[in-house]
Amino acid sequence: DGGITQSPKYLFRKEGQNVTLSCEQNLNHDAMYWYRQDPGQGLRLIYYSQIVNDFQKGDIAEGYSVSREKKESFPLTVTSAQKNPTAFYLCASSIVSGAGYGYTFGSGTRLTVV
Amino acid sequence: GQQLNQSPQSMFIQEGEDVSMNCTSSSIFNTWLWYKQEPGEGPVLLIALYKAGELTSNGRLTAQFGITRKDSFLNISASIPSDVGIYFCAGQNPGYALNFGKGTSLLVTP
Repeated sequence: DGGITQSPKYLFRKEGQNVTLSCEQNLNHDAMYWYRQDPGQGLRLIYYSQIVNDFQKGDIAEGYSVSREKKESFPLTVTSAQKNPTAFYLCASSIVSGAGYGYTFGSGTRLTVV
Repeated sequence: GQQLNQSPQSMFIQEGEDVSMNCTSSSIFNTWLWYKQEPGEGPVLLIALYKAGELTSNGRLTAQFGITRKDSFLNISASIPSDVGIYFCAGQNPGYALNFGKGTSLLVTP
């Protein structure tokens, strides 16, 4: 079955450390996205990529970095520069960006800074 | 991105009641979508709307794309306990990422 997989489900990080969240899809989707979710804040866009080797900043990109070396993969690195990284992170993909087909979401990674 | 205004923020209802929630924007959108998120999971697409005035149903769910293209609503009829979750509206224009509302948290008591 095609889908989008995020790993790990839960992640703990010490302050000052970088951490990378994995996102893999086998839907043959061109576009991929990272969202951050905080209670009562909805979904806020961090980065998105419409094609391999290209990506754009979203509304809250500071303290995050991404890469898109393969169509199937869009890892997100939460750097030590992100002041409040504890959150639920969601990865999504779509056939093309902005085509109105909606997104397929992964099941999320909950990151906690300890 | 454009922030959508979604209301109500939360609802606490009894099983069997109907539910209505809506989403408004200061900008027009070509597409409106409604998602449901269960605890600890990613959102799942419920209904997609592509034309102003369009009314679409998916089982007990009905959604409409507003005539002005700046709003949409979602109705759930005869709610059941498994309807519990957070419902998000989203608007989209060509070439841009989805814009999400802040969500409506729905609790249903038996």
